Amino acid sequence: DIVMTQGALPSPVPSGESASITCQSSKSLLHSNGKTYLNWYLQRPGQSPQFLIYWMSTRASGVSDRFSGSGSGTDFTLKISRVEAEDVGVYYCQQDLEFPLTFGSGTKLEIK
Amino acid sequence: QVTLQESGPGLIKPSQPLSVTCSVTGYSITTSYYYWNWIRKFPGNKLEWMGYISYDGSIYYNPSLKSRISITRDTSKNQFFLQLNTVTTEDTAVYYCARHALPGPQGFDYWGQGVMVTVSS
Repeated sequence: DIVMTQGALPSPVPSGESASITCQSSKSLLHSNGKTYLNWYLQRPGQSPQFLIYWMSTRASGVSDRFSGSGSGTDFTLKISRVEAEDVGVYYCQQDLEFPLTFGSGTKLEIK
Repeated sequence: QVTLQESGPGLIKPSQPLSVTCSVTGYSITTSYYYWNWIRKFPGNKLEWMGYISYDGSIYYNPSLKSRISITRDTSKNQFFLQLNTVTTEDTAVYYCARHALPGPQGFDYWGQGVMVTVSS
C-alpha cells in the first residue's frame, strides 16, 4: 500500500496569515499521463470531509482560490492564504493512483 | 443537488455483522462513470477506504478487509450497502459513503454525513 505521511502545523496560525500543510507519499504519484494523483480534503468540526484539490493542484468546484496545491511526485504542499475562521479543521491528503486508496493521518489547523 | 445519507445500527455486539445503507438522491448510482464508496474514520482521525461498487456493478474491496466485507446495491431504490462481518471493537468508527468520479475531477466529491457505529458488548 502507498503510505501517506502528513506534517504537523505550528499551531495556532494567526488569522490573516498563510499556512502550509505538507504531505509525503511512499511512492511517486506521477502517472505516465502527466497527472499527479494527489487529493486534499478539509474536515471541519462536526462535518464530513470536503473535496478541495485534485491532480495535486486543481481546485475542486466552488473551492476558494485561497487554497493552492503544489509539489513533486512524492512531496506535496497545500497552502492556505489569509487563513480565516472557516478554515479550521483537519486537512487530509489522499493518493488516487492505485488501490487501495489511502489517506494521510490528517493535519489540524487552529487559528489564533 | 447530490446528497448521500447513511443509516445504520449505532451499537452492535462483537462478532455480529455490521450493516449500513447509503441512500443517494439527486443522482443515479448507475450513471457512468461514478464509483460509490465506503470510507470509515476511526477515533483519532485515521481514514480508511473500504471499497466501492461502480456504476456498472463492479466491486473492489480493500484487501485488508477482503474476507469480511460485502458491498451491494439496489438500483431501484438508488441505494448501496455495506456489510462487514465478524466485527470487533476495532471496527468502531464513523462510516461514510462517498461518490468518486473517474476520470476527473478524480476524488471523493460528495460525502454523506456519516453514521457512528460502536462495537461493544
